[in-house]
Amino acid sequence: SYELTQPPSVSVAPGQTARITCSGDDLPNQYSYWFQQKPGQAPLLVISRDTARPSGIPERFSGSTSGATVTLTISGVQAEDEAVYYCQSADNTDSYFWVFGGGTKLTV
Amino acid sequence: QVVLVESGGGVVQPGRSLRLSCAASGFAFETSAMHWVRQAPGKGLEWVAVTSFDGSKEFHADSVKGRFTISRDNSKNMVSLEMSDLRREDTAVYFCVRATTTVTFQDWGQGTLVTV
Repeated sequence: SYELTQPPSVSVAPGQTARITCSGDDLPNQYSYWFQQKPGQAPLLVISRDTARPSGIPERFSGSTSGATVTLTISGVQAEDEAVYYCQSADNTDSYFWVFGGGTKLTV
Repeated sequence: QVVLVESGGGVVQPGRSLRLSCAASGFAFETSAMHWVRQAPGKGLEWVAVTSFDGSKEFHADSVKGRFTISRDNSKNMVSLEMSDLRREDTAVYFCVRATTTVTFQDWGQGTLVTV
């Protein structure tokens, strides 16, 4: 089955830059998305279609791709950014299913 | 604004059935594919099922195939998840999620907890 791999945790000081990676064999062929989830809350979309930032998401959030790896970058991290971040993609070739990475806990 | 409200969660014995519902408002429900995504306690997100905008197509994750069935009623703006032969590993918060043409998981409900 198709899997997306993320590091379990990333730690940065306030004001620094956080980078969270996600790797998957089919990422060069499928869009990736990033979600932020804080305790007790539903996930929130922060990056769409690899690099697009939805309305209302701060400019410090950005997405990039390089081959089979996509990266969420948070520049000038703030305390409120502490959360678990999930990447997500899809396999819509032979079948239809959607997959999430295991999640990365960002500690500020 | 988009509002998705899940209901039907609760405590159930292994092997029993449960039906989850999601009431949708604030958008053109009849034009949106709808998903269920679950999250076991302290764990990550897992896609469960999707129904196309008109209910003509449904897909389920292998982990629930043959036990869970997604359906929708566009006249009531409702999507449901019928769960049978429940197992302890089905214990999770179940989220109802709206898809758009560009984003698979655009809007999320607050979830309903199922404990098996």
